[in-house]
Amino acid sequence: LAKTTQPISMDSYEGQEVNITCSHNNIATNDYITWYQQFPSQGPRFIIQGYKTKVTNEVASLFIPADRKSSTLSLPRVSLSDTAVYYCLVGNYGGATNKLIFGTGTLLAVQP
Amino acid sequence: DGGITQSPKYLFRKEGQNVTLSCEQNLNHDAMYWYRQDPGQGLRLIYYSQIVNDFQKGDIAEGYSVSREKKESFPLTVTSAQKNPTAFYLCASSTGLAGGGHYEQYFGPGTRLTVT
Repeated sequence: LAKTTQPISMDSYEGQEVNITCSHNNIATNDYITWYQQFPSQGPRFIIQGYKTKVTNEVASLFIPADRKSSTLSLPRVSLSDTAVYYCLVGNYGGATNKLIFGTGTLLAVQP
Repeated sequence: DGGITQSPKYLFRKEGQNVTLSCEQNLNHDAMYWYRQDPGQGLRLIYYSQIVNDFQKGDIAEGYSVSREKKESFPLTVTSAQKNPTAFYLCASSTGLAGGGHYEQYFGPGTRLTVT
């Protein structure tokens, strides 16, 4: 599974757009990029997944350039409740397993 | 309501005792997982099960054991052989495993185990 690199922490203010970038230089052809969110003392929650270009859902957008060696999670107009750890995961989870490899994630702190 | 339940939320044990953590899901998912999380760290996979009566070791299986006798249940036993059992334990489940991409994993609320 491809190794990912994310910033350890980020600060933002309410109402701003936040972009968290993840590097995955060794991504394989069949790998997908997935982001999870985790609040303290809770289990992670799936946010978004993509393979290439742009994916958007009701909570976030995921931008993936053509070379797929990085990806950017975009959170529009964050609020205090978006303060959490965000994990970027890369892998091909089909076939034999659906294993997830979590790094240390990015702690996003949203201030008023 | 569909979801995953873990009990208890907090668990305290003396060193040398085995302890079993409960995980139940009513999502009709085939696959279930156990993760361990230490302070300031990401999750690490302990065991996973794709179907009933089958399970595989994850990255840190030593000192742990599991069973999968029912689709809904995947209990984890932390044995006395686990050298550093104090941690936050998370159970998850997902739908089938075939095909590409990633099947979203649904996590339970976790059990915080403290061993002294």
